Amino acid sequence: DTGVSQDPRHKITKRGQNVTFRCDPISEHNRLYWYRQTLGQGPEFLTYFQNEAQLEKSRLLSDRFSAERPKGSFSTLEIQRTEQGDSAMYLCASSTQAEYYEQYFGPGTRLTVT
Amino acid sequence: AQKITQTQPGMFVQEKEAVTLDCTYDTSDPSYGLFWYKQPSSGEMIFLIYQGSYDQQNATEGRYSLNFQKARKSANLVISASQLGDSAMYFCAMREGRVLGGSNYKLTFGKGTLLTVNP
Repeated sequence: DTGVSQDPRHKITKRGQNVTFRCDPISEHNRLYWYRQTLGQGPEFLTYFQNEAQLEKSRLLSDRFSAERPKGSFSTLEIQRTEQGDSAMYLCASSTQAEYYEQYFGPGTRLTVT
Repeated sequence: AQKITQTQPGMFVQEKEAVTLDCTYDTSDPSYGLFWYKQPSSGEMIFLIYQGSYDQQNATEGRYSLNFQKARKSANLVISASQLGDSAMYFCAMREGRVLGGSNYKLTFGKGTLLTVNP
């Protein structure tokens, strides 16, 4: 069990650039979640996949954000035309389909938009 | 209204002593789950303990226990015999609705409590 991995761990970009983050969930987990965490706050839900289907999107996920999970394995989160307000930690989590489940989190990708 | 409220921005405890971190929640759903996560300075969220709304007994996991008071809508985390490695942010989170049947899967987090364990 290698855990949830995220790449890159840190990303510094200039305002207006596009960025893409990758998440590799635990292999037997069919559910994958993206959260965003800003300084001094708890994580906030962005979106959720069951296998390859994106089943829920938060209103926090503006049209500049897009997430995919092709073939129900890894997922990518892309932010287009980044803004300074996008600076945050982006956390990925995965879980099984059990009635009781915990979400296992990755180490996160810290985005800084200058 | 806040769904998860953690009123203690910071807490201090002496090594080897017990500490209680407060969490209150707000939901009208009869089925929900409550979680506690630890976030060290490295940033990764580490699952600690879970309590289901229908669970009759308080959850325990090693040195962690959850003091679940359903009528008060509180789910406080108790850490016994604190260790220096317990210094971290602690988040309370809630999942509303039953997992099976296609309802809510997302977690709603509080703002966290920063615990510092003093030697």
